[in-house]
Amino acid sequence: EVQVAESGGGLVQPGGSLRLSCAPSGFIVSNYYMRWVRQAPGKGLEWISVIYMDGSRYYADSVRGRFTISRDNSKNTVYLQMNSLRPEDTSVYYCVRDENGLLQYWGQGTQVTVSS
Amino acid sequence: DIVMTQSPDSLTMSLGERATINCKSSQTVLDSSNNKYSLAWFQQKPGQPPKMLIYWASTRQSGVPDRFSGSGSGTDFTLTISSLQAEDVAVYFCQHYSSGPPTFGQGTKVEIK
Repeated sequence: EVQVAESGGGLVQPGGSLRLSCAPSGFIVSNYYMRWVRQAPGKGLEWISVIYMDGSRYYADSVRGRFTISRDNSKNTVYLQMNSLRPEDTSVYYCVRDENGLLQYWGQGTQVTVSS
Repeated sequence: DIVMTQSPDSLTMSLGERATINCKSSQTVLDSSNNKYSLAWFQQKPGQPPKMLIYWASTRQSGVPDRFSGSGSGTDFTLTISSLQAEDVAVYFCQHYSSGPPTFGQGTKVEIK
């Protein structure tokens, strides 16, 4: 069964850092595009980063230069390193498997709160 | 980036009524390789991740009740719930997976009267 599980969220002060992890089961992360999508409280969905099968990485303008997506094939895990966090980064962060554009498998999400 | 705009922002209907949600893309999301529209619909219930209901604008995901249907062409798409049930209370999002990054509509909240 395909499942996606995020971890690593929490409360952090503005300017701080967090690393989110995405450790799926039932598939190999390097065989798919893997995306991070976030959702601010009561708001819509925002794609923020993707890592392609060949390792190429792309970011939304809102996080470029502050966030880094990576992948450890030996651990079958995708990471999102978040630096210089701002209050507006407060969101639930979802890890999503992208299969030819179809976002069928989502994790339950991990809450990131940026506040002093 | 392609902008997805949904209407209405919220919908309050009685049980058994037909609910219609609209989604407009700022440019075509037609996949010329298969002549299908790269448009998906999601349902999100409180405290849960989004669940994909429809893809290719009108293909129902396995296990999704047939009261949910998708239609549309060009830049205008519709999600219809033919007979609203209590368990359909949720926020619904459209999303394109055409050129550029995937973007979502702002969401439509469906409630029961």
